Amino acid sequence: EVQLVQSGGGLIHPGGSLRLSCAASGFSVGNEYMSWVRQVPGEGLEWVSIIHGERNTYYIDSVRGRFTISRDDSKNTVYLQVNNLRVEDTAIYYCARGTGISWGAFDYWGQGALVTVSS
Amino acid sequence: DIQMTQSPSTLSASVGDRLTVACRASQNINSWLAWYQQKPGRAPKLLIYKASSLQSGVPSRFSGSQSGTEFTLTISSLQPDDFATYYCQQYDTYPWTFGQGTNVE
Repeated sequence: EVQLVQSGGGLIHPGGSLRLSCAASGFSVGNEYMSWVRQVPGEGLEWVSIIHGERNTYYIDSVRGRFTISRDDSKNTVYLQVNNLRVEDTAIYYCARGTGISWGAFDYWGQGALVTVSS
Repeated sequence: DIQMTQSPSTLSASVGDRLTVACRASQNINSWLAWYQQKPGRAPKLLIYKASSLQSGVPSRFSGSQSGTEFTLTISSLQPDDFATYYCQQYDTYPWTFGQGTNVE
């Protein structure tokens, strides 16, 4: 059974750092397109970052240079290191899988992790 | 960035209604479009990928279609479980982008 189980999140001061984790089961993260998507509570969805293949990565402009996506194939886990956090980074962060013909369509999602950036 | 514009933002409907949600891309995205359903407090659920392909396990009352840069999600007969927010998403060009959502109430 495919599952994505997230950990991390919490209350962080502006400028702080955090690492979000997404542990996968039922498939290998190294073989799929793994993304992070965030959602301000009560608002819409925003795609943030992706890792795929030989650790090819992409970030949206607002997080590039502050966020780093990575994966540990031995632990079958994807990470999002978030540094220099801003109030506007407050959101629920989801990891999501894209696979096969629907590489950009997310067929499995984690349960979400709330990151609150506040002083 | 490619802008995805959904309409309407809110849709009032009743069980048994036929519903259509529209999504317009600001440029050609070929057929690289997905539709999701999201309920409060839950992660989104994939309904449709590649504009018109039904995700495994999704009821056949959901369908997707395309005409150029205009995309449509149709629910043929609304069921009680379908009251939710629906999002479109393009995955043709980075950064991948979502529509603003349509709340079916």
